[in-house]
Amino acid sequence: EVQLVESGGGLVQPGGSLRLSCAASGFTVSSNYMNWVRQAPGKGLEWVSVIYTGGTTYYADSVKGRFTISRDNSENTLYLQMNSLRPEDTAVYYCARIPAPCSSTSCPFDYWGQGTLVTVSS
Amino acid sequence: QSALTQPASVSGSPGQSITISCTGTSSDVGGYNYVSWYQQHPGKAPKLMIYGVTKRPSGVSNRFSGSKSGNTASLTISGLQAEDEADYYCTSYTSSTTWVFGGGTKLTVL
Repeated sequence: EVQLVESGGGLVQPGGSLRLSCAASGFTVSSNYMNWVRQAPGKGLEWVSVIYTGGTTYYADSVKGRFTISRDNSENTLYLQMNSLRPEDTAVYYCARIPAPCSSTSCPFDYWGQGTLVTVSS
Repeated sequence: QSALTQPASVSGSPGQSITISCTGTSSDVGGYNYVSWYQQHPGKAPKLMIYGVTKRPSGVSNRFSGSKSGNTASLTISGLQAEDEADYYCTSYTSSTTWVFGGGTKLTVL
């Protein structure tokens, strides 16, 4: 059974750092396209970052230069290192899988974790 | 990376059909067949309902269907049921090698 479990959220002051983890089971993280998606309180979903099977990474403009996505193949875990945090980064952070490879007509976020809440406030 | 445009809310009575639109540009919705739709109940993680514009994952009711015309994708729910009341989000791959979500639509079953 595919499962994604996020952890590492909490309260942090503006300018601070936090590292989120997403432990995967039932599949191999490095063989899929792994993403972080966030949702501010009462707001919609916002894509944050992706790491592809080859290690290439991409980021939303809102987090570029401050967040770093990575994975530990031995632990089968996805990470999101968040630096220089701002109040507007307050959100529930979800990890989500895109099964690789994408076909010409299929590239969905098929499994999601339950999310971890990050609150940036003084 | 502007969000795709969805109506803030739609409503319908049980048994009726509703359609939620998702408008982007030729750089996202219009340029790729990577449009998918997600259902989210309060306090829960999103659930994949439609992918590849028209495909339904195993286990999703055939009351849910998707389509696309130009830069606008649509999700149609037929035979509305109380359990369909939720927030719905579309998403698309973009030419900037990123992903973009719609602002979300709150579906109310009257």
